[in-house]
Amino acid sequence: NAGVTQTPKFQVLKTGQSMTLQCAQDMNHEYMSWYRQDPGMGLRLIHYSVGAGITDQGEVPNGYNVSRSTTEDFPLRLLSAAPSQTSVYFCASSYWENTEAFFGQGTRLTVV
Amino acid sequence: EDKVVQSPLSLVVHEGDTVTLNCSYEVTNFRSLLWYKQEKKAPTFLFMLTSSGIEKKSGRLSSILDKKELFSILNITATQTGDSAVYLCAVFSSNTGKLIFGQGTTLQVKP
Repeated sequence: NAGVTQTPKFQVLKTGQSMTLQCAQDMNHEYMSWYRQDPGMGLRLIHYSVGAGITDQGEVPNGYNVSRSTTEDFPLRLLSAAPSQTSVYFCASSYWENTEAFFGQGTRLTVV
Repeated sequence: EDKVVQSPLSLVVHEGDTVTLNCSYEVTNFRSLLWYKQEKKAPTFLFMLTSSGIEKKSGRLSSILDKKELFSILNITATQTGDSAVYLCAVFSSNTGKLIFGQGTTLQVKP
């Protein structure tokens, strides 16, 4: 069983480029979220979804877009990469709001 | 605004010591509080707490929640070097569906 699969694991972008981080889960979880982790900052919520067709902004949504067309997939799009978006990105999913959240292995993104 | 605050931010102890990590929160419509351990990769789940005063225990780790005072503690007894990690606290808000994390506590256990 795959759990939460994130791709790619590493990525280097030039300023202004766009890209999509992929996240897929095979546990039929309703809740999915994207976080970024910077040194000393814990995990900051970018966008989240409580079900297919429903998305909402978290604490740091600027510069990122998401969509949730299926229960399984929750891609994160960087519209025009900036050096401030250099970070480690984690996708997480959970069945409901009082159950454990499972994490993908993370994507280390560097914007030069 | 929903907020989760952890303290201390970092801690250095020696093997065998007991440590207490703190997590306080201000969240509308609290649903649950979760503790995770992170060692240079994805966080791994430790505990989920939903009710006040009921201790969750796993080996040398234990945790308890106080919903009146809005905080939780994570205790680690007889620490080992393998306990060195970042410990993350997170809170689910049923009003928003958000899972909000604190800044984390970095624990270093020296031999």
